[in-house]
Amino acid sequence: DTAVSQTPKYLVTQMGNDKSIKCEQNLGHDTMYWYKQDSKKFLKIMFSYNNKELIINETVPNRFSPKSPDKAHLNLHINSLELGDSAVYFCASSLLAGGEQFFGPGTRLTVL
Amino acid sequence: AQSVTQLDSQVPVFEEAPVELRCNYSSSVSVYLFWYVQYPNQGLQLLLKYLSGSTLVKSINGFEAEFNKSQTSFHLRKPSVHISDTAEYFCAVSLGTSGTYKYIFGTGTRLKVLA
Repeated sequence: DTAVSQTPKYLVTQMGNDKSIKCEQNLGHDTMYWYKQDSKKFLKIMFSYNNKELIINETVPNRFSPKSPDKAHLNLHINSLELGDSAVYFCASSLLAGGEQFFGPGTRLTVL
Repeated sequence: AQSVTQLDSQVPVFEEAPVELRCNYSSSVSVYLFWYVQYPNQGLQLLLKYLSGSTLVKSINGFEAEFNKSQTSFHLRKPSVHISDTAEYFCAVSLGTSGTYKYIFGTGTRLKVLA
């Protein structure tokens, strides 16, 4: 059973398009996260939700909008994609905020 | 300001040699400490963690890390590495007060084990 899953695994799109990445966890965790990992492997937290409430919202362009329909899902919608958005996006979850995090396999976004 | 520093971006080491990956942090509040490993084209997975108690923590595959509060460090060590240990290693700190936590990752260290 996959603990944290993301779809799609690869996403290739043109500049200016709008796209979404979905994340689901079946661990019963309360907290979920979105991270961006660039080509140098730097990992930057973007958002964190706890029980569907936004608790961390780092300095991220407002073209990025997270949505948490329930505790098990945290989706990421990106408007007006730019070349600099190309990266690997990871979803993660933890039982408690601040605890061990479980990561999904990542979504490699390429903007052409 | 709170931060996590991994001083070495890359560490090449020969198979069966020992290795140490360094991690230092700065924080004025109590912390939880973690090491995560990322194999090529995969997500991160927890290697080991320090929450409280014994300052020396160990993983099932031979890695260990020691929390040193006075030096604000949490270095990762393995006495004898294998080719399969080649990966990116991230140190992370979870710090917070009053139930609000912030997770900070280091910039990662690429461990390359050579035959």
